[in-house]
Amino acid sequence: QVQLVESGGGVTHPGTSLSLSCESIGLIFNDYDMHWVRQAPGKGLEWVAVIRHDGGKTTYVDSVRGRFTISRDNPKKSVYLQMNSLTVNDTGIYYCVADAGGSAFDHWGQGTLVAVSP
Amino acid sequence: EIVLTQSPGTLSLSPGERGTLSCRASQSVRSSYLAWYQQKSGQAPRLLIYGASRRATDIPHRFSGSGSGTDFTLTITRLEPEDSAVYYCQQYSQTPYTFGQGTKVEI
Repeated sequence: QVQLVESGGGVTHPGTSLSLSCESIGLIFNDYDMHWVRQAPGKGLEWVAVIRHDGGKTTYVDSVRGRFTISRDNPKKSVYLQMNSLTVNDTGIYYCVADAGGSAFDHWGQGTLVAVSP
Repeated sequence: EIVLTQSPGTLSLSPGERGTLSCRASQSVRSSYLAWYQQKSGQAPRLLIYGASRRATDIPHRFSGSGSGTDFTLTITRLEPEDSAVYYCQQYSQTPYTFGQGTKVEI
């Protein structure tokens, strides 16, 4: 059974940094592109970033480009999201998502809450 | 950026009825890279349909997807109380990958 376990969320203030981690269990991790998707309180889903299965390419939504960095460690079967210069608009649940390619977002973690409050 | 517009906003139906959810894209979705997700209250989303019409693993046959180009549909036949949730469409043909705003289904 596949599990994605996020950690690192919390409450912080504007302008600060947070680092999220996601560990995969039961997944052939090297075969999957990995994403972060977020959801503001009471709102819809927003794709944030992707890192390809071999770590060779990363892509970001415009609103976080230059502030967030996605990375992965394949031997540790983990993906990370370094978030700098946080704003209140970054508040939400951050989901780690695995994508086998062509079959959409197959596996989702339970999410970790990031709250940025003045 | 491909904008996805879902309708209706809310769908209120009785058990056993048929639900039809629509997703319209602002431009053609390449290779029908269109997915549908179900999100129940307090839970992470779950993949239902990918490639516009392919059911994901362990998804009941009462869920079906159709469409191509810019118009896509999720159909839920014989609704059950457990189908109460918000349903999102998503295009994964080009970045930024985008989601529709969601359709809330009330049973």
